[in-house]
Formats: sequence, structure tokens, C-alpha cells
Amino acid sequence: DPKIIQKPKYLVAVTGSEKILICEQYLGHNAMYWYRQSAKKPLEFMFSYSYQKLMDNQTASSRFQPQSSKKNHLDLQITALKPDDSATYFCASSQDQGAQNTLYFGAGTRLSVL
Amino acid sequence: GDSVTQKQGQVTLSEDDFLFINCTYSTTTYPTLLWYVQYLGQGPQLLLKVTTANNKGISRGFEATYDKGTTSFHLQKASVQESDSAVYFCALVNVGDNSKLIWGLGTSLVVNP
Repeated sequence: DPKIIQKPKYLVAVTGSEKILICEQYLGHNAMYWYRQSAKKPLEFMFSYSYQKLMDNQTASSRFQPQSSKKNHLDLQITALKPDDSATYFCASSQDQGAQNTLYFGAGTRLSVL
Repeated sequence: GDSVTQKQGQVTLSEDDFLFINCTYSTTTYPTLLWYVQYLGQGPQLLLKVTTANNKGISRGFEATYDKGTTSFHLQKASVQESDSAVYFCALVNVGDNSKLIWGLGTSLVVNP
């Protein structure tokens, strides 16, 4: 059974709309992350949370807002969507913030913005 | 700053061939080096990890050896199978930046039966 659940698996949106990407982890980890994967680019770190607190934000745009309602949840809200936002978004977790050498990833949400 | 370089975009092999995927890194600290594998439709998963303490990682027939002299961390496997077809990422733990990972671009391995 997958230990990190991401929903939906595929998402198609129109330019200017807003979407929320869902992530839940059942590994008992204290740190959660969002990464973005685009063609021809390295995996891009976006955010890290530890015990539901934002620890690091490497995303320049405020259109990307993580939301953590529970310790094992870290959703990603994206507003005013643009075609350039099209990518696969991965949620990940680790036991603690300092244990990023052992990251566990979900299967990703593939977002297409038309 | 710290960096990781994977120059091979794609490697195509036949079953039972020897696999070698190149990875070099640059860091001013003692490195922890990782290989992740991403199968189609899945997220990356940790394949193996090497630190200066153990110098070599081995997992599922794959191995990587940390070479400080050449600052390399190449991935090898003696005999690949079709099921090994995936994208392989080399990564470096950046201890100077909250232990964030610095990722290579990935190498797509295609193994033909």
C-alpha cells in the first residue's frame, strides 16, 4: 500500500484558475515537502514543513501556498494558474527535517494548464 | 556552491549488459551522496546512499563508490534486466542549506529484452 497518497493523479486546469493538490503521508514522519518535476530540469525543491511549520520556501511566487491541517497532511494550493505551472508535483516526507538524505516520495500529481 | 552533474541523458542497453551511469559532484563539505530511481508513473525512491564513512553503497545489485579524488559517484550494475528501465538520479545532501538535496538531471535507462 502506498504510504504517501497524492490526489489527484492527473489534473487539467485552465489558465487563471485555482487548484489544490492533496498529500497525506502514513509513515509517521515529522517533515514534509513539495517538489516540482519539469522536463529537462532537475527536481526542484519548493517547500519544507516540520511539525506543521514552514521551514523553507524556495518558490518565488506567492501563487503557491502550502497548507497543513494535520501533521501528516501537506496540501499545495496554486492560484492564478499559468501554462508554465504544468509539471508533475511530488509530495515527499522524511523522519525529520535533517533526514532529507532519506526522502520518501508520493506518486505525484501531473498538472496540465491549458 | 554545491552541484551535481549527470551528463548522460539516456542510456540504452540489452539485458545482461553492464550498466555504468556517470555522476560527478562538487562540494566543500564531507558529502553524503545518493542514487534515486524513478520508475514510470511513480515518484523517486532511494536506491542507495554513500557517505565518507562507508565509501560504497550496494542495493538490489546496484553499487556506487564514492571517489574523493575524482569527485565521482558513478552507479554500476553487472547485469541489467528489462525491469531496471527507469530514470536514475544522483543527488548530494547540501548540509549548508538545511540538508536539502541537490539533484542531477537524471539518466533514463532503457533496457531492451
